[in-house]
Amino acid sequence: DTEVTQTPKHLVMGMTNKKSLKCEQHMGHRAMYWYKQKAKKPPELMFVYSYEKLSINESVPSRFSPECPNSSLLNLHLHALQPEDSALYLCASSLAVSQPQHFGDGTRLSIL
Amino acid sequence: AQSVTQPDIHITVSEGASLELRCNYSYGATPYLFWYVQSPGQGLQLLLKYFSGDTLVQGIKGFEAEFKRSQSSFNLRKPSVHWSDAAEYFCAVGGDNQGGKLIFGQGTELSVKP
Repeated sequence: DTEVTQTPKHLVMGMTNKKSLKCEQHMGHRAMYWYKQKAKKPPELMFVYSYEKLSINESVPSRFSPECPNSSLLNLHLHALQPEDSALYLCASSLAVSQPQHFGDGTRLSIL
Repeated sequence: AQSVTQPDIHITVSEGASLELRCNYSYGATPYLFWYVQSPGQGLQLLLKYFSGDTLVQGIKGFEAEFKRSQSSFNLRKPSVHWSDAAEYFCAVGGDNQGGKLIFGQGTELSVKP
């Protein structure tokens, strides 16, 4: 069982919808990450939070909005997504940045 | 430029046979090296890591990897493959001043023949 929990597991949304992805960990990790993964490709880093502050934004379009309400939770708010945003969205956490990252099982997102 | 190369896109081995997955990296500072495995429909699971010290590292599920600085390599090995090892394997490199950024290889898909 993964120690990083992501919900929902699957999400289908239209291009005008607003939805959120949620990630939770209770390992006391202080760094959390969002990745996007397309089929047969490695994960692509989107955002890094360190001690609840956004430390890296990999030039992600503003239709993706991350939020870290506390040290255990990470959200990704979605609005006006495009079909090319359909992918597996992975959350990860680590004790601190540069430490090994532990991944959740992801949310498979489909944009109609 | 920093990069990770996994030369083999797809490898097929027979169950019980030995396995070696290749990983070469280009990194300007002291690298932290990782191998992850991803089964279909799941996230990435950390198999093993190298930060410093003994260059032969042991991981979970019977895997090991050897760091060879002179060859800029971090190859993954397993003496006897099980059918459940069929998955995608990613090598990744990071470092102290990367803010948590990992550079991933393109992955190697492992198939296991009965």
